[in-house]
Amino acid sequence: GENVEQHPSTLSVQEGDSAVIKCTYSDSASNYFPWYKQELGKRPQLIIDIRSNVGEKKDQRIAVTLNKTAKHFSLHITETQPEDSAVYFCAASRSGGSNYKLTFGKGTLLTVNP
Amino acid sequence: DVKVTQSSRYLVKRTGEKVFLECVQDMDHENMFWYRQDPGLGLRLIYFSYDVKMKEKGDIPEGYSVSREKKERFSLILESASTNQTSMYLCASSTIYLDRGHIQYFGAGTRLSVL
Repeated sequence: GENVEQHPSTLSVQEGDSAVIKCTYSDSASNYFPWYKQELGKRPQLIIDIRSNVGEKKDQRIAVTLNKTAKHFSLHITETQPEDSAVYFCAASRSGGSNYKLTFGKGTLLTVNP
Repeated sequence: DVKVTQSSRYLVKRTGEKVFLECVQDMDHENMFWYRQDPGLGLRLIYFSYDVKMKEKGDIPEGYSVSREKKERFSLILESASTNQTSMYLCASSTIYLDRGHIQYFGAGTRLSVL
């Protein structure tokens, strides 16, 4: 089955700096890569996703890049703000059929210091 | 807005008890999932269901079972609760339709303590 590795497990940055979280996956058939944000005491919520036919996707201060050859993808947050502090999870999935199972990484605790 | 509701935020049970965790979604989603979340271990899939009465094992199904008698409801059952099942349990749902597919919507979680 799919295995997703996520690094680093914790990341501390100063407000205004950039943050990068990296994930690798094992299943070359995976073609969908979402990122979820979980604030303290709240439920995980999708913040951005990318499909394998695209190399990069951007939404305001967040972007995701995908390297299919190397089987890794990354989340980039620019101009970080204290409200970006949360646990971030990457995930990978195959599409097709009735199976939409996601395999999650172990998460990265991002702390943005004011 | 998609709403995924878990019946309890906090539960305290005794070792050996049978425990039911309930999850209801209001968006007519086909897929439903149960995860447990432990510090440093991320979100681990216990079971999922892609249709009524259908279920598939996830990565850590031991000690758990599930029931999906209606499309909107997915129950997680701990037949005989043990202390190592103390955890946060998260339910999620998603649709199979590709234009909205894969996005999982999570419930608020049930924090279960087994004493």
